[in-house]
Amino acid sequence: EAGVAQSPRYKIIEKRQSVAFWCNPISGHATLYWYQQILGQGPKLLIQFQNNGVVDDSQLPKDRFSAERLKGVDSTLKIQPAKLEDSAVYLCASSLMAATNTGELFFGEGSRLTVL
Amino acid sequence: AQSVTQLDSQVPVFEEAPVELRCNYSSSVSVYLFWYVQYPNQGLQLLLKYLSGSTLVKGINGFEAEFNKSQTSFHLRKPSVHISDTAEYFCAVITTSGTYKYIFGTGTRLKVLA
Repeated sequence: EAGVAQSPRYKIIEKRQSVAFWCNPISGHATLYWYQQILGQGPKLLIQFQNNGVVDDSQLPKDRFSAERLKGVDSTLKIQPAKLEDSAVYLCASSLMAATNTGELFFGEGSRLTVL
Repeated sequence: AQSVTQLDSQVPVFEEAPVELRCNYSSSVSVYLFWYVQYPNQGLQLLLKYLSGSTLVKGINGFEAEFNKSQTSFHLRKPSVHISDTAEYFCAVITTSGTYKYIFGTGTRLKVLA
């Protein structure tokens, strides 16, 4: 079974530029999450999708961050314009979330963003 | 609202010694509890989970954790660590209903010394 795929693995941009990250979850997983992990901290939820609908985006800085999950499968997270404090690893995770849900998240390897 | 506290940001321990990584949580509703491990430059992977039943749960790589409802704790233990256990460990909780909101702790960096 293929895992959660993310790209790119690494990205370096100047502040005020834009960047986009892509995630392909495990096949059949209805729930998809984007987390931001700043060095030395735990993952912080940015947005949670259930199929192609947004369940929780309360911590997404909507003035600069946007995310979409077209057709309830792949997802894209965009930052525009980027700030220095956006330097972090962006983790995508997916979960079954069926009636017999065990709650386990399956993570991709992450996309490391450096903003100069 | 739920919260997770990992009391130690770093834990150094010698190889073959026992280790305990502490985790306390706060929640007004029932939760499931998890420990995840993150090796350098990788995503998180599940170590073990508590859903219900026996309060002592065993996971991969010889780790185990004990759920203590009265103390709202879920400490992770291993009787004998290896160099390869050096990694970041995250405790997490998820509500058992509603939006299944996952909350992670700030992590504990386990450093196993030769």
